[in-house]
Amino acid sequence: AQSVAQPEDQVNVAEGNPLTVKCTYSVSGNPYLFWYVQYPNRGLQFLLKYITGDNLVKGSYGFEAEFNKSQTSFHLKKPSALVSDSALYFCAVRDVPGGYNKLIFGAGTRLAVHP
Amino acid sequence: GAVVSQHPSWVICKSGTSVKIECRSLDFQATTMFWYRQFPKQSLMLMATSNEGSKATYEQGVEKDKFLINHASLTLSTLTVTSAHPEDSSFYICSASGPVPYEQYFGPGTRLTVT
Repeated sequence: AQSVAQPEDQVNVAEGNPLTVKCTYSVSGNPYLFWYVQYPNRGLQFLLKYITGDNLVKGSYGFEAEFNKSQTSFHLKKPSALVSDSALYFCAVRDVPGGYNKLIFGAGTRLAVHP
Repeated sequence: GAVVSQHPSWVICKSGTSVKIECRSLDFQATTMFWYRQFPKQSLMLMATSNEGSKATYEQGVEKDKFLINHASLTLSTLTVTSAHPEDSSFYICSASGPVPYEQYFGPGTRLTVT
């Protein structure tokens, strides 16, 4: 079955430092992977996706993610964190057997960037 | 582009009444829309998938007679919570498949409080 795991409930990082939010996946077939961000009382905003091609994917707001097939990981990264990056981050994988482009979401990781 | 709106953004209703939530794709046609439920500090739980002109497909454990979904046009899907109870209080988020393959576009969410 398709699944995605975010092993950290919360990540704390100082402003200006690099950040990493971890995600691992389990899929049958080729993975279609996504990162979304959610601010309080808001819907999800798309950050980036991996479908095929270059393993390093660049997305919105300076975020990037590295697809690692051997480690079945798709970690989200940013070279220099901002306080405004503080939010809830979700990794998702396309549920291929489910059809209709259904997504399976991880539990979410809360990112706290401290001044 | 690819904007999804929800209305209302928040609603308070009394136990036993019904409430309707609208989800609209503003600048694209969405053949498929998804309805999610999110509890505080938790991930998104897919409730159902709706396709324009056909009956919604509900996820296991979701009561279709309680959560009525209608997708009458390519830009509008509605979720009606019937005979609401306090345990139905939650954050409801819709999304739509849009012009870019494999991506979903999320609405801002609707917070429902049942008293």
